[in-house]
Amino acid sequence: DAKTTQPPSMDCAEGRAANLPCNHSTISGNEYVYWYRQIHSQGPQYIIHGLKNNETNEMASLIITEDRKSSTLILPHATLRDTAVYYCIVRVDYGGSQGNLIFGKGTKLSVKP
Amino acid sequence: GAVVSQHPSRVICKSGTSVKIECRSLDFQATTMFWYRQFPKQSLMLMATSNEGSKATYEQGVEKDKFLINHASLTLSTLTVTSAHPEDSSFYICSARDGSRLAGKRNEQFFGPGTRLTVL
Repeated sequence: DAKTTQPPSMDCAEGRAANLPCNHSTISGNEYVYWYRQIHSQGPQYIIHGLKNNETNEMASLIITEDRKSSTLILPHATLRDTAVYYCIVRVDYGGSQGNLIFGKGTKLSVKP
Repeated sequence: GAVVSQHPSRVICKSGTSVKIECRSLDFQATTMFWYRQFPKQSLMLMATSNEGSKATYEQGVEKDKFLINHASLTLSTLTVTSAHPEDSSFYICSARDGSRLAGKRNEQFFGPGTRLTVL
């Protein structure tokens, strides 16, 4: 079973920030938080990942709480093309050993004009 | 980002035939490749993991004799669905892990565009 909990769906107005929450209360010290998204009938696309510090790249920002039990993916200016299912995944990455990406049900984000 | 391709993108076959799906990493060496299956309105389910030159490791409930996986090179893995039946109709997605030691790229994992299999 996936080790994360996400709301099944969210709506966001075009041009606004989309904030997608994820709970991972059982995360362990050597597990990273990864975010992928899947646009309809395509393969998943990597977005961002982090361990404990906040991360930002050209696609999104990842905010991880200090206790690491939850995180938020932020799309600063959502567009219609950001409509997709967003998956939050925790995965071991320690000393050259990496766990598998196990997908939960994700959050279906609908960006509306 | 790195590119993973799959071929074919879509296949329709008769029940009882075998179907081969190819997965290639186009600009990196994939030491590990993964095969997922996705039924309509469901999430991706990991089927198996393969390392180049060794036998695949299958997830519980996945029949290794039905879903043959070959990972003969660092850029190619194939999944063969043997004696396909309508219940095997699904979206099959491969993924490849970049084994590069370059900073920022170590162990990144990329997904192919998927193959839609329909068994009549």
